[in-house]
Amino acid sequence: ETGVTQTPRHLVMGMTNKKSLKCEQHLGHNAMYWYKQSAKKPLELMFVYNFKEQTENNSVPSRFSPECPNSSHLFLHLHTLQPEDSALYLCASSQETGISNQPQHFGDGTRLSIL
Amino acid sequence: KNQVEQSPQSLIILEGKNCTLQCNYTVSPFSNLRWYKQDTGRGPVSLTIMTFSENTKSNGRYTATLDADTKQSSLHITASQLSDSASYICVVRNNNAGNMLTFGGGTRLMVKP
Repeated sequence: ETGVTQTPRHLVMGMTNKKSLKCEQHLGHNAMYWYKQSAKKPLELMFVYNFKEQTENNSVPSRFSPECPNSSHLFLHLHTLQPEDSALYLCASSQETGISNQPQHFGDGTRLSIL
Repeated sequence: KNQVEQSPQSLIILEGKNCTLQCNYTVSPFSNLRWYKQDTGRGPVSLTIMTFSENTKSNGRYTATLDADTKQSSLHITASQLSDSASYICVVRNNNAGNMLTFGGGTRLMVKP
């Protein structure tokens, strides 16, 4: 139990569907992150929120839309995805983005498959 | 360009044997380097963090080293167990205003009985 919970664990969707990924952390952290993990590639940072404010959007296509209603919850809204978007989507949290020696705590991810 | 290269990409060893995973980086200015373990179907979990002044740090059967001059780190696993089968990811943080993380591609370790 890492303190970061992601739902659903698996998601299969068509290219025209709209779905959302959810992340919740119970660690009292103020920073939350979305990452994409594709096979044989390093983790790719997508979005960063610090104290509910988006501080980074790493050139992510607009078909991915993040939402952070409070410091404990993070969503990733998906719309009109492409087959190459199939990957493991990992959520992480940390105390805050400016503290360099604190680890990020990861959830177990949502395995997304686009048909 | 900040890069983190890990080797080997994959490794198979017999239970009880030792192994060493390598991480070379070009991240500058350097803040710290962290090793994560990612079990299949799970998220990464931090094993250890190395700062500029640290050469060696142990966490149970895991020992990390850092040579900041040559920008190399290693993760040594002693007396491997089946549960060590996982991907090991090296992550380097830079020391500028962005505090950016650069992730390595990972080494996939399989420990066989």
